[in-house]
Amino acid sequence: DQQVKQNSPSLSVQEGRISILNCDYTNSMFDYFLWYKKYPAEGPTFLISISSIKDKNEDGRFTVFLNKSAKHLSLHIVPSQPGDSAVYFCAVTYHNAGNMLTFGGGTRLMVKP
Amino acid sequence: EAGVAQSPRYKIIEKRQSVAFWCNPISGHATLYWYQQILGQGPKLLIQFQNNGVVDDSQLPKDRFSAERLKGVDSTLKIQPAKLEDSAVYLCASSSWTSGVGEQYFGPGTRLTVT
Repeated sequence: DQQVKQNSPSLSVQEGRISILNCDYTNSMFDYFLWYKKYPAEGPTFLISISSIKDKNEDGRFTVFLNKSAKHLSLHIVPSQPGDSAVYFCAVTYHNAGNMLTFGGGTRLMVKP
Repeated sequence: EAGVAQSPRYKIIEKRQSVAFWCNPISGHATLYWYQQILGQGPKLLIQFQNNGVVDDSQLPKDRFSAERLKGVDSTLKIQPAKLEDSAVYLCASSSWTSGVGEQYFGPGTRLTVT
């Protein structure tokens, strides 16, 4: 039973446009949400996070939105750049989880020049 | 600051053979994680260490997988005997008490192919 789902395995956008990556979770106990980015032959790297007390967190071109009632989070990248082409994983945890993460299956983003 | 080191980067073995992976976390990071990432899926936590103690190993197939972190620094993950379904990338990650919630630093991984 998948607790974290990324329903779009891939996404293609034009350079300069907005990329929107989505993630759904099932357990309302999760209270911290993260996005990781992974390039081929490298390990995932932390990108941005949000706690359940917020509904938006912004860091430069990256913004994460959290809709707790829908158990849904999204990552917006504006404007998208070719260097953003990578696999993006959402991950969730909760405050007593000892920093353990549960990852979604990933979405491969391709930004075309 | 050096990142998380893993070796080997690639390994090909036949089923029923054994294999071991090594991880050296970022200096000073007390928490170490091993993940299995099967092609097309997200990383799945196998085991988490805090210093040299196990915090969680609920998803580690203990009949064939074992892991240790004897001196609270580097760690090894072993598979014996390997099965075809163990083909995956094995990722090691570390974090410290100053890391943000959920923020982990990953190594490049070891790609295992079992034939």
